This record gives sequence, C-alpha cells and structure tokens, in this order.
Amino acid sequence: ELKVEQNPLFLSMQEGKNYTIYCNYSTTSDRLYWYRQDPGKSLESLFVLLSNGAVKQEGRLMASLDTKARLSTLHITAAVHDLSATYFCAVAWGAQKLVFGQGTRLTINP
Amino acid sequence: DTGVSQDPRHKITKRGQNVTFRCDPISEHNRLYWYRQTLGQGPEFLTYFQNEAQLEKSRLLSDRFSAERPKGSFSTLEIQRTEQGDSAMYLCASSAETGKAFFGQGTRLTVV
Repeated sequence: ELKVEQNPLFLSMQEGKNYTIYCNYSTTSDRLYWYRQDPGKSLESLFVLLSNGAVKQEGRLMASLDTKARLSTLHITAAVHDLSATYFCAVAWGAQKLVFGQGTRLTINP
Repeated sequence: DTGVSQDPRHKITKRGQNVTFRCDPISEHNRLYWYRQTLGQGPEFLTYFQNEAQLEKSRLLSDRFSAERPKGSFSTLEIQRTEQGDSAMYLCASSAETGKAFFGQGTRLTVV
C-alpha cells in the first residue's frame, strides 16, 4: 500500500524567508502532484511532476522530484502572506487514484 | 464556468437520514473521482468512474455508500442511514485520459 508523508505538518514563517516542504512516498509512482488548499475551499493544482529530476517553478514556488529517493520538495522563496494555505502532495497510485499526504499548514507572518 | 461543479455546497442532516450529492465534471473528461476529506487531513479516495463504469471502490466505501454515473456525465454519491462519522467534505474531481485531476468546490456534510 502506498503511503505518503509530508513534513513539516505545520510551518510558521516570516515574510521574506525561504523554506522547504518535504514529501516522501513509499512505492514507485510515475506522477506526483502538489495542490494548494485555502480554508473551506477546494484544491488548486500547482504542479505535476512526471519524471526523475523534474523541476517546475511558478512565482515563488518551486517543486522538484527525485524518484530514486521517492522524495519531492516544494520550495518557497521570499515568502509573502498570500502564500499562507495548506499544501498537499499527492502521488498517483495505479492509473486512477491519488494518495495524498497529510498536508502542511503554512502560515506566513508579516 | 467550465470547472467541476458540485451540489449542494453544504448539507446538514440528522443521523439516520439519507443524503445525495451531485457532481458535474468538466464536459470532455471521461474520468470522475470521489474523495472524502475530514478536518485536518488530506483527501482520501472513495471511488472512480471511467465513463459510466465504476472501476474501483475504496474499502472506505461501506455498504451505506453508493455512487453512480448513469450516462457517463454527471455523478451522484448517496449515503444511506448517515452517521456522525460521515461528517466530512466530499470532493469530486475529473480528468481526461491521462491528465491531471481538477477538483470541485466540495460538499460539506454535517450529520447531527
């Protein structure tokens, strides 16, 4: 059974700082996703990572994938308050479902 | 709006009642998924349709839960004899054959 673990689960940081969220998974997969969720809202797709060494960047967020280590990272550069949200990684299991991590609740303070 | 649409957005029901939720996927997507999310947790897979065929069901989906997608378009998720433990956000998602999944706004169920 595929297990997906994120850390940290809670992260409070100051604006302007850099930080990284880690996502480890237990079984080989060919797709990994990062989603953002605001309180009471649904999931917004951020990145899809398909191959070893894949790196995607959008604004202050950058995601990478190491399939050999079964590890993905979401790096936040020079954080701003608008990035406060819960971030989930999700790993494709078979052709038809995603297994999600527990989520990282990110709070960015002025 | 061409995104995934779910109805209702909120539902409060008494324990023991039946509830039904609807999901309208993105029109060209043949894959449809239901997930359940409880407070502070990531979404958990419930079931998956390809066109009208239900191809996988999670062990989380007890006999009280049933899902349909009769014409390969919209889907319904019914919960019979609701229990307090059914309180959660029910999320629907759709995707094309190999594309990423797009999620709807969810239906928040509260069982009192």
